[in-house]
Amino acid sequence: QSVLTQPPSASGTPGLRVTISCSGSSSNIGSNAVSWYQQLPGTAPKLLIYSNNHRPSGVPDRFSGSKSGTSASLAISGLQSEDEADYYCAAWDDGLNGAVFGGGTKLTVL
Amino acid sequence: QVQLEESGGGVVQPGRSLRLSCAASGFTFSSYAMHWVRQAPGKGLEWVAVISYDENNEYYADSVKGRFTISRDNSKNTLYLQMNSLRAEDTAVYYCARTPAGMRGYVDVWGQGTTVTVSS
Repeated sequence: QSVLTQPPSASGTPGLRVTISCSGSSSNIGSNAVSWYQQLPGTAPKLLIYSNNHRPSGVPDRFSGSKSGTSASLAISGLQSEDEADYYCAAWDDGLNGAVFGGGTKLTVL
Repeated sequence: QVQLEESGGGVVQPGRSLRLSCAASGFTFSSYAMHWVRQAPGKGLEWVAVISYDENNEYYADSVKGRFTISRDNSKNTLYLQMNSLRAEDTAVYYCARTPAGMRGYVDVWGQGTTVTVSS
């Protein structure tokens, strides 16, 4: 049972938009920044979004993040086949004094 | 370029110890807090531990507290994870990772991971 809650799966057709949610509490998302990671099969995770809604250089602007209260979301527009991967949200938790991850969402491009 | 390379993984019996290393290159290692994150087979990411840039602060996940110790040698640009009293549930790929925004911040660089299997 992960501290941050994500849907286990999501899907979309090429070219369309998909959103992945991440729900937490006041001790994590409610008081700290959220980051998002993409993990392609058999590879290490890659930073996708940091500080709620910032993209590192090299990440396409098709990826965007937002946060409101104790929830956050990752949106992927113009879905492409190479977006098929696992996506994780993360934040620091002040109560646990540690980082926490969501359980991950497996994105399928139909 | 910025690189993290883990080593030290392997097969170990329950109750035994193992030390993982993470060699950093391409950046000023001593300026960054560092994490260990693990991923059990077929499972999601689980944060393990973090250490401050100057070794003065460490935090651990409850699942490893008292058994694992994170440390670093800034003169050797190397991060360590000493794992004692290993259990089957510690079986995972272990990633070292850099955080540019303090101990509580996000991770911007990940190593390729090293696999630890705890089995008799």
